[in-house]
Amino acid sequence: DGGITQSPKYLFRKEGQNVTLSCEQNLNHDAMYWYRQDPGQGLRLIYYSQIVNDFQKGDIAEGYSVSREKKESFPLTVTSAQKNPTAFYLCASSIDWSQPQHFGDGTRLSIL
Amino acid sequence: GQNIDQPTEMTATEGAIVQINCTYQTSGFNGLFWYQQHAGEAPTFLSYNVLDGLEEKGRFSSFLSRSKGYSYLLLKELQMKDSASYLCAVRRDYNTDKLIFGTGTRLQVFP
Repeated sequence: DGGITQSPKYLFRKEGQNVTLSCEQNLNHDAMYWYRQDPGQGLRLIYYSQIVNDFQKGDIAEGYSVSREKKESFPLTVTSAQKNPTAFYLCASSIDWSQPQHFGDGTRLSIL
Repeated sequence: GQNIDQPTEMTATEGAIVQINCTYQTSGFNGLFWYQQHAGEAPTFLSYNVLDGLEEKGRFSSFLSRSKGYSYLLLKELQMKDSASYLCAVRRDYNTDKLIFGTGTRLQVFP
């Protein structure tokens, strides 16, 4: 079955450490997105990519980085510059801008 | 600024009908989405409105009034499994699917 796979499901980060969250899709979607979800807040867009080898900052990109070297993969790195990284991270993809986004099951990141 | 408002929590009884409202004030508008999210899980797409009126899909319907900046999601014949958060999201611009999400409405369905 086609879908979006995020790994790991739970991740712990030490102070000053970079961590990378994986997002893979086999839906042949061009567009991919990373969101952050905090309690009591809506999903906020971190980065998005509408095509391979291209990506754009979202509303809260500071302290994060991404790459889009392959159509099916859009990893997110949470750097040590992100001072409040504890959150639920959701990856999504869509065929193109006009179609609904489909989400992965998320990665919950916590600080040790 | 960009603002999307939804009630924080709602409760309803199994078999009943519930209406979840969403009002928005955004710099542009090119469609409104509703998603369902069970606790700790991925949001799943429910409906999309870009023109005024009602879109019906089984037990779920969604309504849009662009002039009023208003949408609602109507859930009929409520089931226990409908207990979840319902997220309203607005696409601001044409040729982009950057979405602004509301904080979500947590619906609890009781027997």
